[in-house]
Amino acid sequence: GIQVEQSPPDLILQEGANSTLRCNFSDSVNNLQWFHQNPWGQLINLFYIPSGTKQNGRLSATTVATERYSLLYISSSQTTDSGVYFCAVRLTGTASKLTFGTGTRLQVTL
Amino acid sequence: GAGVSQSPSNKVTEKGKDVELRCDPISGHTALYWYRQSLGQGLEFLIYFQGNSAPDKSGLPSDRFSAERTGGSVSTLTIQRTQQEDSAVYLCASSGPGKNEQFFGPGTRLTVL
Repeated sequence: GIQVEQSPPDLILQEGANSTLRCNFSDSVNNLQWFHQNPWGQLINLFYIPSGTKQNGRLSATTVATERYSLLYISSSQTTDSGVYFCAVRLTGTASKLTFGTGTRLQVTL
Repeated sequence: GAGVSQSPSNKVTEKGKDVELRCDPISGHTALYWYRQSLGQGLEFLIYFQGNSAPDKSGLPSDRFSAERTGGSVSTLTIQRTQQEDSAVYLCASSGPGKNEQFFGPGTRLTVL
């Protein structure tokens, strides 16, 4: 099956710092989503981005489908950004499951 | 509008008992997915329903697991003869007709003693 790797696995930032999270995947995809899992376990949709670039406030994402990677940028980080960030992809030609990466655990400190 | 809802939020059961977990998808969403999140396995797909088509059961870990979706809306995931390794958070997601983006519910935390 498709492999999804996220890096770094853990990240500690001071409030106000910027960061880049990376997601590499092993095959062609027709769906790529970034999620933030908050401390209560809820998966919050950040971006649906199978290709191209999107921005939403302090967050932006870029997917280069031909090179099989996606980047999530967090600028001016806040303590509320803490949690686990997941990348999830769906293999082209399929219509069902998302395959999740193992996540990046982010801690933003004061 | 309301998001995906799941019940119960927490379930503690004894090994060998059967459990039922419920998912209410976003109104109008035709596709419904079950996943589970456990410490050792991360987030993994269980089953997918799309309209009246036969479900994709390829992720169910054993024949103790089954799911149904009645009337194209609410879904129930049933685990028979629960085992301790079934302890996990069970997540439900839905997506709209012709749409790829999946939206997740808050999950049911299952603990098997």
